[in-house]
Amino acid sequence: AQSVTQPDIHITVSEGASLELRCNYSYGATPYLFWYVQSPGQGLQLLLKYFSGDTLVQGIKGFEAEFKRSQSSFNLRKPSVHWSDAAEYFCAVGGTSGTYKYIFGTGTRLKVLA
Amino acid sequence: DGGITQSPKYLFRKEGQNVTLSCEQNLNHDAMYWYRQDPGQGLRLIYYSQIVNDFQKGDIAEGYSVSREKKESFPLTVTSAQKNPTAFYLCASSLGTGIRQPQHFGDGTRLSIL
Repeated sequence: AQSVTQPDIHITVSEGASLELRCNYSYGATPYLFWYVQSPGQGLQLLLKYFSGDTLVQGIKGFEAEFKRSQSSFNLRKPSVHWSDAAEYFCAVGGTSGTYKYIFGTGTRLKVLA
Repeated sequence: DGGITQSPKYLFRKEGQNVTLSCEQNLNHDAMYWYRQDPGQGLRLIYYSQIVNDFQKGDIAEGYSVSREKKESFPLTVTSAQKNPTAFYLCASSLGTGIRQPQHFGDGTRLSIL
């Protein structure tokens, strides 16, 4: 069965430090992968997506993610975190089982220290 | 600007009462979705619809019902059969022409029990 795992429930970093959020997936074919961000009490906003081609994808707000097929991973990175990046981040796999269903990870909550 | 509008932002339900959450989109998207979000559990799919007058159960459909009479609208009814309805509910939509399309989210409705 398809699945998405975000191993880190909470992560705390200092402002200006680098960030890496982990995402591992289980999927039989080439996955369609997404990262979303959610601020408290808000909906989810798309940060970036990967379908094929270059395995390093750039997104909004200075985020990037790298697809590694051999590790079944799609980790999200940012070189220098800003206090406004504090939020919850969700990894998702799209288009599973030939339907429009998506599978979301359980999220990683990021705290940024001033 | 195109987007997804969910209303109300906060909703309170009495015991034995059905309540309906509204979701309207002006993105001309074919597919629409309802998710339930509980702390630490990520997003769980309740129902989804690929076209008008058609919808499918998601992973946690018991105690919920939907309709899709118009392309723009996908209301969710939380029935009295749903014994634990307190949660944050998110509506989303995506283009129906391909499963590569990311989902666009509304700002959610928080439902609580009186």
